[in-house]
Amino acid sequence: SQQGEEDPQALSIQEGENATMNCSYKTSINNLQWYRQNSGRGLVHLILIRSNEREKHSGRLRVTLDTSKKSSSLLITASRAADTASYFCATATNQAGTALIFGKGTTLSVSS
Amino acid sequence: GAVVSQHPSWVICKSGTSVKIECRSLDFQATTMFWYRQFPKQSLMLMATSNEGSKATYEQGVEKDKFLINHASLTLSTLTVTSAHPEDSSFYICSASTSRKKGEQFFGPGTRLTVL
Repeated sequence: SQQGEEDPQALSIQEGENATMNCSYKTSINNLQWYRQNSGRGLVHLILIRSNEREKHSGRLRVTLDTSKKSSSLLITASRAADTASYFCATATNQAGTALIFGKGTTLSVSS
Repeated sequence: GAVVSQHPSWVICKSGTSVKIECRSLDFQATTMFWYRQFPKQSLMLMATSNEGSKATYEQGVEKDKFLINHASLTLSTLTVTSAHPEDSSFYICSASTSRKKGEQFFGPGTRLTVL
């Protein structure tokens, strides 16, 4: 079963603008991860944030985690057309050997 | 490091035939492997979890007799879709985890299955 819910489901912006996607989850986690998927392709791991971290940066990506609200956000700054893809959050529990649970994803379209 | 491969990357088969998909961890030993299915414009849904040398644990609603999973070694898991039907057409993605990196999974590139 999926425990991650993302919003918005779809987001359309212009190049240069920032894109923010949100993810909520239901149970305690060990970490939360964000992935990108281009149409018809495999997953690309973007960033992992652990439950004891509040914010993490990687290039133009900024991820926040609020464990009290069970939510996370992914911010892509200065977006580019190449950022057009689907973005998924996925949560991992503390139990070893358990699968990642994926959210429904946000489809981002960046137009030039 | 932590590379996972899948083979084939795509397959087209006739209805009623069986298709085997391989998932390999190339540079690490995977204590656990996972199989996901993704329908168009949807998210990844976990199908089953397999540990080396033991039977796979299937998620609710996934038919174990239709989706046969074998995890014979620490670097190889296979998913066989038996008597495939058009509704089984999907993107199948495997992932692998190692006890040395708790909470992290490494994903294969996926296999696109089309059943005619």
